[in-house]
Amino acid sequence: AQSVTQLDSQVPVFEEAPVELRCNYSSSVSVYLFWYVQYPNQGLQLLLKYLSGSTLVKGINGFEAEFNKSQTSFHLRKPSVHISDTAEYFCAVIRGGGSYIPTFGRGTSLIVHP
Amino acid sequence: GAVVSQHPSWVICKSGTSVKIECRSLDFQATTMFWYRQFPKQSLMLMATSNEGSKATYEQGVEKDKFLINHASLTLSTLTVTSAHPEDSSFYICSARVSSGSGNEQFFGPGTRLTVL
Repeated sequence: AQSVTQLDSQVPVFEEAPVELRCNYSSSVSVYLFWYVQYPNQGLQLLLKYLSGSTLVKGINGFEAEFNKSQTSFHLRKPSVHISDTAEYFCAVIRGGGSYIPTFGRGTSLIVHP
Repeated sequence: GAVVSQHPSWVICKSGTSVKIECRSLDFQATTMFWYRQFPKQSLMLMATSNEGSKATYEQGVEKDKFLINHASLTLSTLTVTSAHPEDSSFYICSARVSSGSGNEQFFGPGTRLTVL
């Protein structure tokens, strides 16, 4: 079975500061990794994904994430956040060769202060 | 990217009535759709997997007679909450899976806010 841990339930940060949202997963097989963003009362929007290849993945809105197999992590980063980045962020993992149903983390609320 | 729509976006109903939520893939065919439920400040909980032309597969603890799922075509799946009660109030999100080399990526609908009075 696979699981996803987002250690931080809430991350407050000032505008234009850098931010890192942490995600760790547990799986004994190869995985596909995703980060989604959810704005209030909306569905999930894909930020970026890691399927294979380069471990540094760049996504939309200036976000990037790095897959670290030895640390079983897929942390999300942005060098300079905006007020509009305030939202809920979910990390998800799909186990390769399985049912391709994602397991979601509990989510991290990013709060950007002016 | 692929677009998934949901209708209605929000609905308020009286206790005991049934509510139908539609999930459509607008520009692609989806053999598999998923229904999730999300409580405030929590993650998505998978309720069921809906396959076109066959019965849905429900997750443990989800009442299939209460949450009726129909996947009649490759672009439409419906979730009917039967005899709704206040505890069914929640945010319901559907997703549609594109079977391709991209890890079977899912595309999510905008969600439906259900409030049962």
